[in-house]
Amino acid sequence: NAGVTQTPKFQVLKTGQSMTLQCAQDMNHEYMSWYRQDPGMGLRLIHYSVGAGITDQGEVPNGYNVSRSTTEDFPLRLLSAAPSQTSVYFCASSYSSPGVLGGYTFGSGTRLTVV
Amino acid sequence: GQQLNQSPQSMFIQEGEDVSMNCTSSSIFNTWLWYKQDPGEGPVLLIALYKAGELTSNGRLTAQFGITRKDSFLNISASIPSDVGIYFCAGRQGGSEKLVFGKGTKLTVNP
Repeated sequence: NAGVTQTPKFQVLKTGQSMTLQCAQDMNHEYMSWYRQDPGMGLRLIHYSVGAGITDQGEVPNGYNVSRSTTEDFPLRLLSAAPSQTSVYFCASSYSSPGVLGGYTFGSGTRLTVV
Repeated sequence: GQQLNQSPQSMFIQEGEDVSMNCTSSSIFNTWLWYKQDPGEGPVLLIALYKAGELTSNGRLTAQFGITRKDSFLNISASIPSDVGIYFCAGRQGGSEKLVFGKGTKLTVNP
């Protein structure tokens, strides 16, 4: 049981480049989210999904797109990378609405640097 | 967005000491969660609280859901070096599909 798998673990981008951060879970979880972690800022919600085909914005969605075509995968796309998007990105999933029965299970993160 | 105020921001303690940290909000939450993050890893759920006044333990960790539903507390007894990490509180409001996180408490334990 792999849990939540994020790839890549590290990435360096140039300003203006685009890329997709991958997230996959094998626990048949309906709920998935993307958070970013910056020093002193805690975890801030970027986008979330309550099931395949359904996504919604979180607290800091600008510059990011998501889609949820399958239950297992929830990729995060950076359209045109900016230095302000340098951060550690975490994908998380839960069987039910997070906080109803336990919380999210997190991946180990993708460390992104935009130069 | 909804803010959770977590304090203290950091703590430096000696091995064997007890630790207390808390999380407060101006709004009511239906669920409070406490996570721990080890360096280079994602957060891991420690304790989940679902009812006002609830007191739940997980080994040396004890957490409480405040009576007002606007706060929660985490205590660690007899700290050990592996307790080092960042502790996050998280909350869920009624009718929301989102978890809101505090900014974390960074714990350092000196042997």
